[in-house]
Amino acid sequence: KQEVTQIPAALSVPEGENLVLNCSFTDSAIYNLQWFRQDPGKGLTSLLLIQSSQREQTSGRLNASLDKSSGRSTLYIAASQPGDSATYLCAAFSGSARQLTFGSGTQLTVLP
Amino acid sequence: GAGVSQSPRYKVAKRGQDVALRCDPISGHVSLFWYQQALGQGPEFLTYFQNEAQLDKSGLPSDRFFAERPEGSVSTLKIQRTQQEDSAVYLCASTRLAGGTSTDTQYFGPGTRLTVL
Repeated sequence: KQEVTQIPAALSVPEGENLVLNCSFTDSAIYNLQWFRQDPGKGLTSLLLIQSSQREQTSGRLNASLDKSSGRSTLYIAASQPGDSATYLCAAFSGSARQLTFGSGTQLTVLP
Repeated sequence: GAGVSQSPRYKVAKRGQDVALRCDPISGHVSLFWYQQALGQGPEFLTYFQNEAQLDKSGLPSDRFFAERPEGSVSTLKIQRTQQEDSAVYLCASTRLAGGTSTDTQYFGPGTRLTVL
């Protein structure tokens, strides 16, 4: 059974800092790895999707990498802004179960 | 529609009551997923529909939970005889393609927050 872990659970940084969020998964037989953002009281917004054959994806100030062999993904946020404050969730789409398995998220606070 | 919508946004039920939660996926999306999100946790898979067919219900926690999508568009998640442990946010997501593919993003609704007293 796929298990996804995110470290740290919470992170607080001053505005302008670059930061890295970590995600690990136990079963490397994935179709893709997805990063989502969740604002309080709202649903999830897809940020980046990395296919199993890819190593990274970029969107604006966000860059996500995937290392299937080690079961790891990272989300890099450049020049953080207060508007980036949210919970960031990673999720592995497993091949056999055709399900998204989520981590518990990293709650990010960017201080002005 | 422009996105996935869910109703009601908030539901308070007394223990033992039945509730029905509605999901309107993006028009034309083939796949629909339901998730349960407890406070401080990531969403957990409940069930998956491809059009009107429920292909996976392995995540439903008990036989009190029932989901349907009779015409392949709107879906309803029903919880019978609600218990306090059912309190959570219930999220619905849809994807354009069937079964999920390596390139298919799941689009989530805002969720229904269920509180069972």
